[in-house]
Amino acid sequence: QKEVEQDPGPLSVPEGAIVSLNCTYSNSAFQYFMWYRQYSRKGPELLMYTYSSGNKEDGRFTAQVDKSSKYISLFIRDSQPSDSATYLCAMYSNDYKLSFGAGTTVTVRA
Amino acid sequence: DAMVIQNPRYQVTQFGKPVTLSCSQTLNHNVMYWYQQKSSQAPKLLFHYYDKDFNNEADTPDNFQSRRPNTSFCFLDIRSPGLGDAAMYLCATSRGQGTLDTQYFGPGTRLTVL
Repeated sequence: QKEVEQDPGPLSVPEGAIVSLNCTYSNSAFQYFMWYRQYSRKGPELLMYTYSSGNKEDGRFTAQVDKSSKYISLFIRDSQPSDSATYLCAMYSNDYKLSFGAGTTVTVRA
Repeated sequence: DAMVIQNPRYQVTQFGKPVTLSCSQTLNHNVMYWYQQKSSQAPKLLFHYYDKDFNNEADTPDNFQSRRPNTSFCFLDIRSPGLGDAAMYLCATSRGQGTLDTQYFGPGTRLTVL
């Protein structure tokens, strides 16, 4: 079993729709959770970072963590074509090693 | 403006022919990482340097080596590439190894092995 599971999609939504992405994990030592965005032919860039259960908002993006269920989500409101990318969840335990999900590819249709 | 630079962006090599990938950073970060990312898979950490201290992941094949001659540069050497080594290779840097030390990624080098 992989430590971090993420549905690869692909996910295709119309412009303006809400995009919902999620990951599950098996290692209860994971305490810090991130979402990275990776555009085609580019490296991942950090989008959101959270370390507690609950919601964190940043503009159109909301990260949600439920440690009791070992489940994290990313919501993108009012999605734009420029949001088309692969979204990777990632998490730390207490060391430096990031454990990534495989990424979900999102296409927002104009 | 680029902070983590990787060269070349695309590399084609022949089976068994050594290849070197390059990473440089303008962030003056202490830590540099090399990841391998195959299609539709999670990035996999190969090794990292904290300053000059080299840390190899247990499952990184011996075929993969790395050098960090100074703070700014780090190289990935693949001594005898096999077809299974075709992947995107990502370099990342971070100021430290704390959980609040964000990793900044370069654009990657896509390696093709013929």
